Amino acid sequence: ILNVEQSPQSLHVQEGDSTNFTCSFPSSNFYALHWYRWETAKSPEALFVMTLNGDEKKKGRISATLNTKEGYSYLYIKGSQPEDSATYLCAFEGSQGNLIFGKGTKLSVKP
Amino acid sequence: DAGVTQSPTHLIKTRGQQVTLRCSPKSGHDTVSWYQQALGQGPQFIFQYYEEEERQRGNFPDRFSGHQFPNYSSELNVNALLLGDSALYLCASSFGQGNYEQYFGPGTRLTVT
Repeated sequence: ILNVEQSPQSLHVQEGDSTNFTCSFPSSNFYALHWYRWETAKSPEALFVMTLNGDEKKKGRISATLNTKEGYSYLYIKGSQPEDSATYLCAFEGSQGNLIFGKGTKLSVKP
Repeated sequence: DAGVTQSPTHLIKTRGQQVTLRCSPKSGHDTVSWYQQALGQGPQFIFQYYEEEERQRGNFPDRFSGHQFPNYSSELNVNALLLGDSALYLCASSFGQGNYEQYFGPGTRLTVT
């Protein structure tokens, strides 16, 4: 059974703090690692699709790194803002093409 | 572009009944995947449709079935509903297979009483 683990489960930070979360996934049969941002009452929004070991991607204040050999990815948010409050999901894509999601990290940013 | 749309938004059914959920993919997308998100869990893959055929299937019983139409829209059917089927059902669309962003709809909240 393939397992995707995310930590921490939840995180409370002050506006302006930088933060990071971890996603652990199987290191075999790796195809891609997806990060999503999911605000309450909205649809999950794709942030990154990462495929290569050592890959780093950035979108504004959010960036992500990927280590496929050891099976982990980090998501960083620099200078958190209240609008960053959301659940951040990672999903492992294996050779079969379907996504296996973690339970998510719920981020709350206080003004 | 309306993005991925799902209907209905909410639904309440009784145990043993059958339900049909609907999804229209983002314009230009030809692949539709369905996920179930139970409380406190991440989305769980149910199945994926491409060219009107089920291409991949997760670990869900045969009570869960689907269909994809020529316009790429899709339906998820669940027969003989159980209390444990209460969840948020998400539809996601993409183009082709693998390494592409999947665009999600807002989901259908199903409550089985």
